[in-house]
Amino acid sequence: KAGVTQTPRYLIKTRGQQVTLSCSPISGHRSVSWYQQTPGQGLQFLFEYFSETQRNKGNFPGRFSGRQFSNSRSEMNVSTLELGDSALYLCASSLEGYKGQPQHFGDGTRLSIL
Amino acid sequence: EDQVTQSPEALRLQEGESSSLNCSYTVSGLRGLFWYRQDPGKGPEFLFTLYSAGEEKEKERLKATLTKKESFLHITAPKPEDSATYLCAVQAVRSSGSARQLTFGSGTQLTVLP
Repeated sequence: KAGVTQTPRYLIKTRGQQVTLSCSPISGHRSVSWYQQTPGQGLQFLFEYFSETQRNKGNFPGRFSGRQFSNSRSEMNVSTLELGDSALYLCASSLEGYKGQPQHFGDGTRLSIL
Repeated sequence: EDQVTQSPEALRLQEGESSSLNCSYTVSGLRGLFWYRQDPGKGPEFLFTLYSAGEEKEKERLKATLTKKESFLHITAPKPEDSATYLCAVQAVRSSGSARQLTFGSGTQLTVLP
């Protein structure tokens, strides 16, 4: 069974640009969550999508947005990139995202801002 | 606000030297507590879910336990391949009954020396 797939694995951008990251969940999983991981802040929750609707949202500025498609694949967009956006962005999927079901993570997209 | 504190931040063990990692949590209503293992450059790998106080789960050299305030990850006779960062996360329940997002601790970096 294929795991969570994130593309691309690495990205280098400059300040002010925008970026789109992609996540394909495990087959049958309908909930997709996004996290930002940095050495100083650890894993910080960005948002969760379920059935194409944003169900939970973390404390990030509006520059961070996402969406989910009917096949449960998800994209995350960051506009007007800042140096502080350099991080590992992780996507996780679960069956329905509640009832204590575990989330399964991809290997992330490493975003570097120059 | 949900809080998760992991200790110690770093732990160095000799091969075969058993020890425990601690995860203390504060949530209004626990839906589940999760343990993950993360290797450098990879996404977190799911290990265990614990749902209620007194519950225990085992997998090879790892055993996770849960009380009303904390969880322990016991590592028996560790091997160098057990070296990784171990993350703890909680999922809480809103007053409406729906689930909140996962809140992660900052992790324990475990090094097992041969």
